[in-house]
Amino acid sequence: EAGVAQSPRYKIIEKRQSVAFWCNPISGHATLYWYQQILGQGPKLLIQFQNNGVVDDSQLPKDRFSAERLKGVDSTLKIQPAKLEDSAVYLCASSSLAGHSYNEQFFGPGTRLTVL
Amino acid sequence: AQTVTQSQPEMSVQEAETVTLSCTYDTSESDYYLFWYKQPPSRQMILVIRQEAYKQQNATENRFSVNFQKAAKSFSLKISDSQLGDAAMYFCAYRSFFGNEKLTFGTGTRLTIIP
Repeated sequence: EAGVAQSPRYKIIEKRQSVAFWCNPISGHATLYWYQQILGQGPKLLIQFQNNGVVDDSQLPKDRFSAERLKGVDSTLKIQPAKLEDSAVYLCASSSLAGHSYNEQFFGPGTRLTVL
Repeated sequence: AQTVTQSQPEMSVQEAETVTLSCTYDTSESDYYLFWYKQPPSRQMILVIRQEAYKQQNATENRFSVNFQKAAKSFSLKISDSQLGDAAMYFCAYRSFFGNEKLTFGTGTRLTIIP
């Protein structure tokens, strides 16, 4: 079974530029998560989708970050414009479905963003 | 809101020895999950072990076991017979039993294995 795919793996941009990250979850997984992992910290949830609907985006800086999940499969996270403090690893994860039972989250390799 | 604290930024252990990583958490919920995740230098996060709060028995997965103390809100990870491949960042994480499935992570412990 293929894992969670993310691209690009690395991205370097200057502040005020725009950037987009792509995630392809495990086939059949209804729930998709984007986490931000700043150096020295644990990952922090930015947004959670169930199919193509948003479940939680309470920690997404909506003035500059946006995310979509078209057709409930792939997802794109965009930053526009980027700030220095956005330098981090952006992790995508997926799980089979949301609900009361336990569903393991599977993580992708992440995209390391450096903002100069 | 729940918080997870890992007070050991770095740990090291001799190969084949045993090491224990500490984690404490704060929550007002009675039902929840706790996890230990491993993040090797390649950055792909891997689940090591999970514990359901309603279970009194400590979880075990091969060389990995936990010491879950619900009243003390403590959740430590013991790695026995440490191997070079165990070198990684280890994150403790919390998830509510009901509702949103988001994970709340600690700041991590970097584990070094000394040959």
